Amino acid sequence: GESVGLHLPTLSVQEGDNSIINCAYSNSASDYFIWYKQESGKGPQFIIDIRSNMDKRQGQRVTVLLNKTVKHLSLQIAATQPGDSAVYFCAENLNSGYALNFGKGTSLLVTP
Amino acid sequence: DGGITQSPKYLFRKEGQNVTLSCEQNLNHDAMYWYRQDPGQGLRLIYYSQIVNDFQKGDIAEGYSVSREKKESFPLTVTSAQKNPTAFYLCASSIEGHLDEQFFGPGTRLTVL
Repeated sequence: GESVGLHLPTLSVQEGDNSIINCAYSNSASDYFIWYKQESGKGPQFIIDIRSNMDKRQGQRVTVLLNKTVKHLSLQIAATQPGDSAVYFCAENLNSGYALNFGKGTSLLVTP
Repeated sequence: DGGITQSPKYLFRKEGQNVTLSCEQNLNHDAMYWYRQDPGQGLRLIYYSQIVNDFQKGDIAEGYSVSREKKESFPLTVTSAQKNPTAFYLCASSIEGHLDEQFFGPGTRLTVL
């Protein structure tokens, strides 16, 4: 079946730099996308979401970009901090579906 | 405080035993979900429920069972038919389902001895 995937399994950035985490999806019927942050041993925490009728959405220090033409989703974190170190998952919700399809995650490591 | 809770945090089970994981939410959400997470992997859907007394199989339902007798509760039973049950189990809820953020509980780590 179609699935969500991530380009890079790990990403290391220096504190204060901007981070970009990418995600590719293959189901053109997906109409809702979410980014989650998961710290070790804990449940995922919501970061930001975007619907397919938008191409950009901003939150506090985070921006999600959606490119439906190439089926690509990215999460940008500005001024990355040590507390941002975690695994980041993108997830898609298929049109009229009720469950999220998760990617495998990208591990973000922020070094001082 | 509103939220979603799971218990226990750690659970050990002998092979051949059934075990039930608890999930409770006081967010007044209609939809609830169970996911399984293996090391270094994403989340895979086991079961979900859109409303009370109704639930549907997810991608990996074999060896699991659920019930939804109350809006607040969605317990998951891992049966002896589940061949590889050791994993991190996550429960989530959302207001309705489609186009809604899912709120996750803290998870239960199940280890089969």
